Amino acid sequence: KQEVTQIPAALSVPEGENLVLNCSFTDSAIYNLQWFRQDPGKGLTSLLLIQSSQREQTSGRLNASLDKSSGRSTLYIAASQPGDSATYLCAVRVSDMRFGAGTRLTVKP
Amino acid sequence: GAVVSQHPSRVICKSGTSVKIECRSLDFQATTMFWYRQFPKQSLMLMATSNEGSKATYEQGVEKDKFLINHASLTLSTLTVTSAHPEDSSFYICSSSDTADTEAFFGQGTRLTVV
Repeated sequence: KQEVTQIPAALSVPEGENLVLNCSFTDSAIYNLQWFRQDPGKGLTSLLLIQSSQREQTSGRLNASLDKSSGRSTLYIAASQPGDSATYLCAVRVSDMRFGAGTRLTVKP
Repeated sequence: GAVVSQHPSRVICKSGTSVKIECRSLDFQATTMFWYRQFPKQSLMLMATSNEGSKATYEQGVEKDKFLINHASLTLSTLTVTSAHPEDSSFYICSSSDTADTEAFFGQGTRLTVV
């Protein structure tokens, strides 16, 4: 069974900092990997989707990389803002789709 | 992007009653549907995977007789929580995609409170 791990569990940074969130998975035979954002009490917002054949995807201040062979993905957030405060989840798709425990990000003004 | 509509968004029910949650894909054929449960301050835990026209595959520890999943069409899947108890109170969310390697789209989630 695929195991997905996210490090760190929580992160607090001052506004303007660049930061990296990490996701690792045990089974490298994936179809794709998605990064999501979840605000408290809310559903999921899809941020980036990386197919297994891709190495990275970018959207605005977000950049996600994928190293399938080592079972790792990173989400890079540039010039963080207080509005980026949320829980960030990665999910890995094989025949099913499994989530990591998330990283709770707080960006302080 | 594609839209998955989940209904209701919030439901309160009495202990012992059953609750049905619907998940509809509005503009694509949902070959595969995933159902998740999320307890406060925890991540999404996969409950079951269903393919259209087939019986759902439940994760270990999830009671299939309690959480009934029906995926009878390519646009609709339902999760029925039978004989609900307070410990079933949680955030339930569905996800679907048309093929195994395409993006999965998520419903808005259903917050179930059993009193």
